Amino acid sequence: SQQGEEDPQALSIQEGENATMNCSYKTSINNLQWYRQNSGRGLVHLILIRSNEREKHSGRLRVTLDTSKKSSSLLITASRAADTASYFCATDATSARQLTFGSGTQLTVLP
Amino acid sequence: DADVTQTPRNRITKTGKRIMLECSQTKGHDRMYWYRQDPGLGLRLIYYSFDVKDINKGEISDGYSVSRQAQAKFSLSLESAIPNQTALYFCATRGLAGVDEQFFGPGTRLTVL
Repeated sequence: SQQGEEDPQALSIQEGENATMNCSYKTSINNLQWYRQNSGRGLVHLILIRSNEREKHSGRLRVTLDTSKKSSSLLITASRAADTASYFCATDATSARQLTFGSGTQLTVLP
Repeated sequence: DADVTQTPRNRITKTGKRIMLECSQTKGHDRMYWYRQDPGLGLRLIYYSFDVKDINKGEISDGYSVSRQAQAKFSLSLESAIPNQTALYFCATRGLAGVDEQFFGPGTRLTVL
């Protein structure tokens, strides 16, 4: 079973709009990470937020974490066509020795 | 050069054949992982290794085996390939505890006919 589940499964927006993806998880975590995957390629790490942090920024990315609701969101501002990719959350659970990945959100940014 | 490399990048084989997928890394990381990805199912962990003597089964290890030949090399074998093992396979590495992100290889697309 997967620890992290993303919502929505697919998202289509116009260039310049903001994109928001959500991730819910089930157990206590040390940190939560977001990765990006361009079609058929390896995942690339985007940003990590630790369990004692509530918000983190990196360029056009903003991640929030609510440990009471066991949820996180990834916001991409001013999206570009090049942001088209799949985005995965991964949880580093306190009880586990490895990351657990969700099933991903497919983001399409239309020019 | 890429930090995590996988060979082959693409492979087509027949049911019953033995297949080995290889992964090498130059990051000096102790922790290495093998995942498979199927459309719509995200990544599922097959095996992981924290050093050459520490190998562990993941979520879907049946039908697979691994070998950690050295700190830098982690191979995945399909002893007798079957069609439902057709998937995209990724190797990943991770540093010691406290260095938390994973680094992925480019993937191997395996087709079992």
